[in-house]
Amino acid sequence: AQSVTQPDIHITVSEGASLELRCNYSYGATPYLFWYVQSPGQGLQLLLKYFSGDTLVQGIKGFEAEFKRSQSSFNLRKPSVHWSDAAEYFCAVNSGGSNYKLTFGKGTLLTVNP
Amino acid sequence: GAVVSQHPSWVICKSGTSVKIECRSLDFQATTMFWYRQFPKQSLMLMATSNEGSKATYEQGVEKDKFLINHASLTLSTLTVTSAHPEDSSFYICSARASPDRVPSGPQHFGDGTRLSIL
Repeated sequence: AQSVTQPDIHITVSEGASLELRCNYSYGATPYLFWYVQSPGQGLQLLLKYFSGDTLVQGIKGFEAEFKRSQSSFNLRKPSVHWSDAAEYFCAVNSGGSNYKLTFGKGTLLTVNP
Repeated sequence: GAVVSQHPSWVICKSGTSVKIECRSLDFQATTMFWYRQFPKQSLMLMATSNEGSKATYEQGVEKDKFLINHASLTLSTLTVTSAHPEDSSFYICSARASPDRVPSGPQHFGDGTRLSIL
């Protein structure tokens, strides 16, 4: 069965600092990977996705993620964090099957200090 | 594009009543919609998957008779929490996929969620 691990429950960074959120997955076939962001009391917004091709994926809001098959990782990065980036971040893998259900990690809460 | 509207955003009701939550894809046709439940400070738990015109597929442990799902059109799915009790209080989120050819890379687009509080 597929699974997603986000090792960091909570990360605090200063505004302007670089950011890396970790994500490791377990899936037997070629994974389809996603990063979503959730602001308090709201739904999820897709930041970026990977399914084939270039392993470095660019997303919205200045985020990027790199797929590393050898490490089963799909870490999210941003070179300079803004205060508005404070939110919960979820990594997800598409588990295939007839409906392509998503399996989510437990999330990483990002706090940005001024 | 790919906007999903969920209504209501917040509902408070008495124990024993039924509550209906709507999920609409505004600018695309959603062949598949998903319903999630999210507890405070936790991840999303998939409750069920619904395909237009067919019965929903429920995840293990989710009561079909408690959480009624209808996907009557390509733009609308509803979740009805029947005879709701305080333990049903939660944040419910729907999502929709816009890939009729079932391409797995098609992302899910999420609504803004419904905060359900049962007194």
